[in-house]
Amino acid sequence: QVQLVQSGAEVKKPGASVKVSCKTSGYTFTSYYMHWVRQAPRQGLEWMGIINPSDGSTSYAQKFQGRVTMTRDTSTSTVYMELSSLRSEDTAIYYCARVRVYDSVVDYWGQGTLLTVSS
Amino acid sequence: EIVLTQSPGTLALSPGERATLSCRASQSVSSSYLAWYQQKPGQAPRLLIYGASSRATGIPDRFSGSGSGTDFTLTISRLEPEDFAVYYCQQYGTSPWTFGQGTKVEIK
Repeated sequence: QVQLVQSGAEVKKPGASVKVSCKTSGYTFTSYYMHWVRQAPRQGLEWMGIINPSDGSTSYAQKFQGRVTMTRDTSTSTVYMELSSLRSEDTAIYYCARVRVYDSVVDYWGQGTLLTVSS
Repeated sequence: EIVLTQSPGTLALSPGERATLSCRASQSVSSSYLAWYQQKPGQAPRLLIYGASSRATGIPDRFSGSGSGTDFTLTISRLEPEDFAVYYCQQYGTSPWTFGQGTKVEIK
């Protein structure tokens, strides 16, 4: 069955960087894109960007341009999201979410990774 | 970017009642690329509806979606206890993909 398993919770200081992983299984890794979406405490969902695991191409939301980097490792079927210059407003749960290439629908989500940014 | 506005913010209903949730877009959603998700506390969102009206695999038929252009609706025909949750709409036809702010369906 399809599984997206994310790395564990992180606590970082302002100005630091964080790298969150999303290890996939149960499907052909390079046949589906992957979104990253975040959710601040008691807030809604915010799209951060998308990566094509087949060729590593990415598209980022303008808000995160210059601070976010999405990469992938095809040997381990894992995608990564690195966010730099962290500030308190980046405290949120970060989700990876699989995208069906043929209709762009997000059909599976990781369990989420809580990032806390605090001095 | 396309802004999605959901209404109402909170819907207080009893089990067995009908729930009607609205999602309005600031501009037309391309090819009805509109999805609905359900989220319960401590869980990731779950896909309910895509393409405005297609139910995802395993979703009960009490959930239905309708609409096109800028106005979309999620209807839950008879609320079950497990349906009390927050519901989000999302458009995925135009980058950046955007979400509505959510509608909470709570027990009256």
